[in-house]
Amino acid sequence: TQLLEQSPQFLSIQEGENLTVYCNSSSVFSSLQWYRQEPGEGPVLLVTVVTGGEVKKLKRLTFQFGDARKDSSLHITAAQPGDTGLYLCAGNQFYFGTGTSLTVIP
Amino acid sequence: NAGVTQTPKFQVLKTGQSMTLQCAQDMNHEYMSWYRQDPGMGLRLIHYSVGAGITDQGEVPNGYNVSRSTTEDFPLRLLSAAPSQTSVYFCASSTRDRMNYGYTFGSGTRLTVV
Repeated sequence: TQLLEQSPQFLSIQEGENLTVYCNSSSVFSSLQWYRQEPGEGPVLLVTVVTGGEVKKLKRLTFQFGDARKDSSLHITAAQPGDTGLYLCAGNQFYFGTGTSLTVIP
Repeated sequence: NAGVTQTPKFQVLKTGQSMTLQCAQDMNHEYMSWYRQDPGMGLRLIHYSVGAGITDQGEVPNGYNVSRSTTEDFPLRLLSAAPSQTSVYFCASSTRDRMNYGYTFGSGTRLTVV
């Protein structure tokens, strides 16, 4: 099993604040995906990164893949209540992290 | 709408009962998989299939069986349910290029074994 650790486990912030969540592993991954999951639903794919050092932006979300392809980060600028959810990273499509539960308070 | 359909959405079983969780996709995806999600444990892979007639075990296969007779369907069978199998089960599908394409997930089946 290729362990993926996500931090923080829980995060509660005010609307308009910025935040970063992390996904770390001791293993090298060919690709890494980020998903967002809302209560009662399945995860929905946000982005896939495949190249070490790659940065992808999706509106207010910025995703970065580490140079060594062992870690990744997700930065949200000016968080909104609609960003509330469980953020999951997945390595090589198989292995999922335990997730970061984000609550954005209006 | 195209996607992954899971049934039932909720199920309560008694210990020792058997049941089949259904999963169907209409996107002609080759790759399908079953995950279970438990608090603090993330998503753990149970079984997966790379195409019709081909299945393989994931991280936590014990107590579960699968088959893939068609591209569209990938049912998960619990032969003798145990309380440890209480969980939320997700079916997911992807193209052959799943590393770049990512998964499409169903909305899940919440199973309680009493």
